[in-house]
Amino acid sequence: DSGVTQTPKHLITATGQRVTLRCSPRSGDLSVYWYQQSLDQGLQFLIQYYNGEERAKGNILERFSAQQFPDLHSELNLSSLELGDSALYFCASSVSAETYNSPLHFGNGTRLTVT
Amino acid sequence: SQQGEEDPQALSIQEGENATMNCSYKTSINNLQWYRQNSGRGLVHLILIRSNEREKHSGRLRVTLDTSKKSSSLLITASRAADTASYFCATAYSGAGSYQLTFGKGTKLSVIP
Repeated sequence: DSGVTQTPKHLITATGQRVTLRCSPRSGDLSVYWYQQSLDQGLQFLIQYYNGEERAKGNILERFSAQQFPDLHSELNLSSLELGDSALYFCASSVSAETYNSPLHFGNGTRLTVT
Repeated sequence: SQQGEEDPQALSIQEGENATMNCSYKTSINNLQWYRQNSGRGLVHLILIRSNEREKHSGRLRVTLDTSKKSSSLLITASRAADTASYFCATAYSGAGSYQLTFGKGTKLSVIP
């Protein structure tokens, strides 16, 4: 058990809808990362927050947004959903602000299916 | 785009044999990490090797790093059915002013009992 909790585990929704994915990081970790995993694109870094502030942005679409709250949990909001957004969305956490210094601890993901 | 690329894409071996997976990357790195992912689950960190290290061991895992060739290998000795999983290498690259881990597409390892 990594200590990272993601909810919900599965989400099925229709195109054009909006969903919110939730992540609670491992106790003591200040950084939260969001990754998208699909068969064709592999694991893509979306965004990182460190202690409530946005730290880095990756391949995150404008339709997607995230935030980290004072209790350090994070939410990823996906709007105007398209079929191509169907994927596994992972949250990961680490102690450090810099990923090259410490390993990431991953949750078990939210499987999003857009129909 | 992926920084690291694993090779082979898929590998099937008998229990007890050794499994070797390779990773090549494109730019200078601070460290390289290996992760394992069981089907439908989150990734689990295995080993972190720094750019000034050449080899690292953890139990049945051995990782080597050759910065001159921009490559790394993961060796799993005496494999078990429970080692069946996808294995990813991840490298830290500088993007948007911060170093972020980028993952390859992975090697899918099947260990046949």
